[in-house]
Amino acid sequence: DARVTQTPRHKVTEMGQEVTMRCQPILGHNTVFWYRQTMMQGLELLAYFRNRAPLDDSGMPKDRFSAEMPDATLATLKIQPSEPRDSAVYFCASGLVYEQFFGPGTRLTVL
Amino acid sequence: GIQVEQSPPDLILQEGANSTLRCNFSDSVNNLQWFHQNPWGQLINLFYIPSGTKQNGRLSATTVATERYSLLYISSSQTTDSGVYFCAVKAGGADGLTFGKGTHLIIQP
Repeated sequence: DARVTQTPRHKVTEMGQEVTMRCQPILGHNTVFWYRQTMMQGLELLAYFRNRAPLDDSGMPKDRFSAEMPDATLATLKIQPSEPRDSAVYFCASGLVYEQFFGPGTRLTVL
Repeated sequence: GIQVEQSPPDLILQEGANSTLRCNFSDSVNNLQWFHQNPWGQLINLFYIPSGTKQNGRLSATTVATERYSLLYISSSQTTDSGVYFCAVKAGGADGLTFGKGTHLIIQP
């Protein structure tokens, strides 16, 4: 049963700390997305890659967020330094042509 | 960018009832998906339906692309149908999905 996996599932950290979230897309999918869900903003796109190349990161605060795809089986989203306003659920999704499939999310709490 | 509006925002029904959820979008789309976010937060794919009609068990969906709306039908509701239903669209050259604010559905036993 192919699915997107994300680690960690929950993360509690203190303001100023570095946070790294990982995603393993569905094998064979060439496009990987990062979304963030908050009560105020809902679900919003942060960044995405196609064939491991970053195509759009306009939804991401550039000064503290970075997204990479070191190989086809791993995408990472890093926040450094983290702030309380970064508290949210971060979803990774992957797709091949149009339909996107979402991972279970990483629930991040920054104190 | 494209606007996605879902209605109603909240819906409370008794088990066994039928419901219709609506999604309006402001521009032409080349991808439309319906998701169910369950109480554990997982986003579950229901339909990929940029146009036409699809059915999967008690659920069905119709998208009328020319009129810029999509409908999700849930028949014979069960308590496990509770959660938030999202419509998400992709328009133009962008690849990311734009989500509506969702319909929060509560099915009471």
